[in-house]
Amino acid sequence: EVVLTQSPGTLSLSPGERATLSCRASQSVSRGFLAWYQQRPGQAPRLLIYGTSTRAAVIPDRFSGSGSGTDFTLTISRLEPDDIAVYYCQQFGITPYTFGQGTKLEI
Amino acid sequence: QVQLQESGPRLVKPSGTLSLICSVSGDSIDSRNRWNWVRQAPGKGLEWIGEISHGLSADYNPSLKSRVTISVDTSNNQFSLTLISVTAADTAMYYCGRLRYTGSYWGGFDFWGPGTMVVVSS
Repeated sequence: EVVLTQSPGTLSLSPGERATLSCRASQSVSRGFLAWYQQRPGQAPRLLIYGTSTRAAVIPDRFSGSGSGTDFTLTISRLEPDDIAVYYCQQFGITPYTFGQGTKLEI
Repeated sequence: QVQLQESGPRLVKPSGTLSLICSVSGDSIDSRNRWNWVRQAPGKGLEWIGEISHGLSADYNPSLKSRVTISVDTSNNQFSLTLISVTAADTAMYYCGRLRYTGSYWGGFDFWGPGTMVVVSS
């Protein structure tokens, strides 16, 4: 299976700063099958980015995704208190679909 | 607006069977989208259980394949999860989710149910 390793495990930043979250795959992932999710405490995951870099509906342009092959990045610019959450990357190109272990964002 | 809602018993005895239903509104279970189950043990990350699409066979996580069945009920626009021989390790929040297919690309798990917490305990 494709193992996704996210770093860092926890990220502590201040409002207005930029967050850079990394997702590294154990084998190459097609760009079309890499997504990012936000999970706030007590809530279901929410799709942020699909196809590596396409924002889902109503996701603000502060969120952006990039990468290819085995290295992918989620960038959150101008952090807001509402961004407190755990962020997961996911590949859904090869079954079993897999998620990274998550990056916890503290603000 | 697409909505998904999980339902089923919240407490299952060890060695018993966990059965959940995901009711879908705003989309047809007959569509080319794929219907998924994902779980999350307390304080842990997300684990993909499996998926089904109408007209196709289900696909499962190998770690659960011997115990899991996902099926579709087109008459009620629902899909279900059955997990047999459960243990305490199956205690988790269970989510259903839609993997969107537009005809030219896959759009991620764009809609999720709120989740239902299932506890395995005697």
